[in-house]
Amino acid sequence: GAVVSQHPSWVICKSGTSVKIECRSLDFQATTMFWYRQFPKQSLMLMATSNEGSKATYEQGVEKDKFLINHASLTLSTLTVTSAHPEDSSFYICSARPADIVTYEQYFGPGTRLTVT
Amino acid sequence: GQQVMQIPQYQHVQEGEDFTTYCNSSTTLSNIQWYKQRPGGHPVFLIQLVKSGEVKKQKRLTFQFGEAKKNSSLHITATQTTDVGTYFCAGQASYDKVIFGPGTSLSVIP
Repeated sequence: GAVVSQHPSWVICKSGTSVKIECRSLDFQATTMFWYRQFPKQSLMLMATSNEGSKATYEQGVEKDKFLINHASLTLSTLTVTSAHPEDSSFYICSARPADIVTYEQYFGPGTRLTVT
Repeated sequence: GQQVMQIPQYQHVQEGEDFTTYCNSSTTLSNIQWYKQRPGGHPVFLIQLVKSGEVKKQKRLTFQFGEAKKNSSLHITATQTTDVGTYFCAGQASYDKVIFGPGTSLSVIP
């Protein structure tokens, strides 16, 4: 149980284009989903917290107009990297917190490797 | 803002030796979580500690939460090659915000 999927697993795009990454909780409902960015051999940096039906909360330094987050349902959140640049190349990981249990644990998706050329 | 630190950054041990990673938060936490990330994989939840002074065990892994709820440790007894990976602590000070430590990368020499 508690499986989170991400799509695509990897993507290569040209500079200036936009890329959408989907995060789905497959067997549970998640009122809260988190988006992280991870550089090689580094820790996970929280980008934003996504709550179903409301606007995402972005961490300081994360451009909300560049990283558009939509949490349209209890099982789906999307991250769109707009006008991507090579410095946006990274590993993006989402996580989801189950809605029906009293716990703070998060279940992570497998991540999406974004390369901007 | 809240910061979470971990030491050591890297640890190389001989198989069978013990391993400990330490996590410290700049602020008091409501809970702390531990995750393991295998090379090329994604973080996998290991455990959550909530109570001051709490100690939990999972087979060869022992997790502790400090009395002040600002520090934690993970101890692995008699490491095995399957223990290889990066161990992250994640401190939660508020409901919707979890801050990950930089991680401790464990290598086990067979």
